[in-house]
Amino acid sequence: EAGVAQSPRYKIIEKRQSVAFWCNPISGHATLYWYQQILGQGPKLLIQFQNNGVVDDSQLPKDRFSAERLKGVDSTLKIQPAKLEDSAVYLCASSEGLADYNEQFFGPGTRLTVL
Amino acid sequence: AQSVAQPEDQVNVAEGNPLTVKCTYSVSGNPYLFWYVQYPNRGLQFLLKYITGDNLVKGSYGFEAEFNKSQTSFHLKKPSALVSDSALYFCAVRDGSARQLTFGSGTQLTVLP
Repeated sequence: EAGVAQSPRYKIIEKRQSVAFWCNPISGHATLYWYQQILGQGPKLLIQFQNNGVVDDSQLPKDRFSAERLKGVDSTLKIQPAKLEDSAVYLCASSEGLADYNEQFFGPGTRLTVL
Repeated sequence: AQSVAQPEDQVNVAEGNPLTVKCTYSVSGNPYLFWYVQYPNRGLQFLLKYITGDNLVKGSYGFEAEFNKSQTSFHLKKPSALVSDSALYFCAVRDGSARQLTFGSGTQLTVLP
């Protein structure tokens, strides 16, 4: 079974530029998550999708971050414009459903450096 | 609000010795508890979870964790550590009313040969 795919793996941009990340979840997984992991911290949820609908985006900085999952499969996360504090690893995860006890499967992440 | 604490940033143990990585949590309802491991430049990998039932949960790679409701703890254990167990370990919690999985800050485990 193929895992969660993410691209690119690394990205370096200057502040005020825009950037986009792509995620393809495990086949058949209805729930998709985007996390931000700052160095030395645990992952923090940015947004959660169930199929193509948003379940929770309460911690997404909506003035600069946006995400979509138009066909209920793959997803993109965009930052526009980027700030220095956005430097982090962006992790995508998926799970079979919304049940609280379902484990999440993570992709390798995209390491973003904002200069 | 739910929260997780991993009181040790770093744990060092000799190969072959037992290891323990500590985790305590705070939730308003019944907790669902998870352990994940992260190797360098890789995403998090699921190890085990507690939902209900037996307080001792067995997971991947010989790891186990003990749920203790009175102490609100979910410590990760392994009877005999391997050098290859060296990685960053995260505890996470979710209660029945929360949409989000809350992660601890992580514990770096180093197994010395």
